[in-house]
Amino acid sequence: NAGVTQTPKFRVLKTGQSMTLLCAQDMNHEYMYWYRQDPGMGLRLIHYSVGEGTTAKGEVPDGYNVSRLKKQNFLLGLESAAPSQTSVYFCASRATSGSSYNEQFFGPGTRLTVL
Amino acid sequence: AQSVTQLDSHVSVSEGTPVLLRCNYSSSYSPSLFWYVQHPNKGLQLLLKYTSAATLVKGINGFEAEFKKSETSFHLTKPSAHMSDAAEYFCVVTHGSYIPTFGRGTSLIVHP
Repeated sequence: NAGVTQTPKFRVLKTGQSMTLLCAQDMNHEYMYWYRQDPGMGLRLIHYSVGEGTTAKGEVPDGYNVSRLKKQNFLLGLESAAPSQTSVYFCASRATSGSSYNEQFFGPGTRLTVL
Repeated sequence: AQSVTQLDSHVSVSEGTPVLLRCNYSSSYSPSLFWYVQHPNKGLQLLLKYTSAATLVKGINGFEAEFKKSETSFHLTKPSAHMSDAAEYFCVVTHGSYIPTFGRGTSLIVHP
């Protein structure tokens, strides 16, 4: 049981390049989230999904797109990276039943630098 | 609507002394409340949670928190701080909505 995994762990991009961050969970959770964490800003929600094929905008969605084609995977895309997107990105999934009801499980993070 | 306020952005203690990290919440319904810990360059790990059972909740590493509905608080405590407790701590409230609400975090500094 791997929990929540994120790929890659580190990435350096040049301004204007694109990339996709992959989040995978093996707990059969319906809800998944993408956050960014910047110094002094806490965690800010980028996009979230409440089920396969559905996505919604969070607090800071501009410049990002997401897809949830399979229940276990939640992809975060940057079409044209900007230095302001330099951050640490965390994925989380959330249990909606059982003993872990409402608990979020976090991945280890992806550290992205945009030059 | 729900919101979370962590009353201190930084808390500094000496090793072996008690720890108190304060969290106040607002929620229109009975909330689920969580404390997560984040060590440097790591992801978030669940410390403990309240989900309408016992109001005094015990978590990992000697931490506990008490749900006080009348005060809308869920403060995190530990009797004796250890150097390894130095980390960022987040209070989170969830009820029924899709989006959990995070506090801004409290940085715990432990001096030898």
